[in-house]
Amino acid sequence: QKEVEQNSGPLSVPEGAIASLNCTYSDRGSQSFFWYRQYSGKSPELIMSIYSNGDKEDGRFTAQLNKASQYVSLLIRDSQPSDSATYLCAVKRSGGGADGLTFGKGTHLIIQP
Amino acid sequence: SAVISQKPSRDICQRGTSLTIQCQVDSQVTMMFWYRQQPGQSLTLIATANQGSEATYESGFVIDKFPISRPNLTFSTLTVSNMSPEDSSIYLCSGAQTMNREQYFGPGTRLTVT
Repeated sequence: QKEVEQNSGPLSVPEGAIASLNCTYSDRGSQSFFWYRQYSGKSPELIMSIYSNGDKEDGRFTAQLNKASQYVSLLIRDSQPSDSATYLCAVKRSGGGADGLTFGKGTHLIIQP
Repeated sequence: SAVISQKPSRDICQRGTSLTIQCQVDSQVTMMFWYRQQPGQSLTLIATANQGSEATYESGFVIDKFPISRPNLTFSTLTVSNMSPEDSSIYLCSGAQTMNREQYFGPGTRLTVT
């Protein structure tokens, strides 16, 4: 069973601080990694994708990937109350067959004003 | 990114009946997928919808229970058959323009089975 693990939280961060979300995965052959944000009652919204080792920055968001450690993280700088949501880590499985994503259970992030 | 719509947005159905959910994308995508999100849980892949051929199902999901069609690149349907209360979930369609690349999700269909 190929798995994606996240701390379910809640993770509480003061407004303006950096929120750090972490994810580990078991499929060593995975090549594609994604972070989704999901507000309560809404569908997941893609916020970051990362495919190679290192950092990828997009505005206030930075995704970090370390394939050797099978670890991917998301940093949110200058956290805003509107960032309060569940963040889902998703990994595309390696190998043939279906090309869908395996999701972690999500981390519930709360930004305290 | 692709814009994806789903119909219906929600429904309440009787045990033993079937519901067909429609998914439409606004641009030609290579890949379409169906996921389920049970209450308080994360997303689980049901199947990959293949254009003009049978869908590829994940372990634990079978065609008799979740028949899927994809007659063209931009449209797919998922049927939840012979429903039971355990099928109460949000069903989500997603699309990706190329393999290995970003998937975008529709708004979901919230199904309640009584």
